[in-house]
Amino acid sequence: EIVMTQSPATLSVSPGERATLSCRASQNINNDLVWYQQKPGQAPRLLIYRASTRAAGIPARFSGSGSGTDFTLTITSLESEDFAVYYCQQYNNWPPYTFGQGTKLEIK
Amino acid sequence: EAQLVESGGALVQPGGSLRLSCAASGFTFNSHTMNWVRQAPGKGLEWLSHISSSSNTIFDADSVKGRFTISRDNAKNLLFLQMDSLRVEDTAVYYCARGVRWFDYWGRGTLVTVSS
Repeated sequence: EIVMTQSPATLSVSPGERATLSCRASQNINNDLVWYQQKPGQAPRLLIYRASTRAAGIPARFSGSGSGTDFTLTITSLESEDFAVYYCQQYNNWPPYTFGQGTKLEIK
Repeated sequence: EAQLVESGGALVQPGGSLRLSCAASGFTFNSHTMNWVRQAPGKGLEWLSHISSSSNTIFDADSVKGRFTISRDNAKNLLFLQMDSLRVEDTAVYYCARGVRWFDYWGRGTLVTVSS
């Protein structure tokens, strides 16, 4: 089973600034990586698939990069609605699909 | 717009059973693979089960293999999760989610609490 590790656990950033979230896979997953956003009391929302392709309706301030074992989600010019928990998920070697433990993006 | 609505969550005793449902609308249900994913209170996401569009292919996580059974009724646009031999650690919000490789639509979830 591929283990996904996200860092940091909590990231404090001011509105209008840039946030950089990391996700590392325990083995090479090529670009088979997804990012989700989850707000309290809500279901996860698909943001990015294939490591860097934005899902429909996702603003351009969200971007994904990386391949192999190291991946990054960057959110430029943070807006109030972006403060949430973010999860990465791999689909290179499934089942099982595996998720990272999440990064909480909070207002500084 | 695709919509998924889960139901069936409840308080159940350890060792008990429960059947969750997920009603799909706004898309061609019988063309899509479906999944169940859960989230324990204050914890992260855990994928549980996958069923192909025609039910030909089913995969389960080791944590629920032999206890949980995924199924679907394409005529009624319904997805199910039969949960048997429930444990305290199965307490979670259960989501149904559409997709293979990534999950593009999710329901709002239904809460299952396993406690005596």
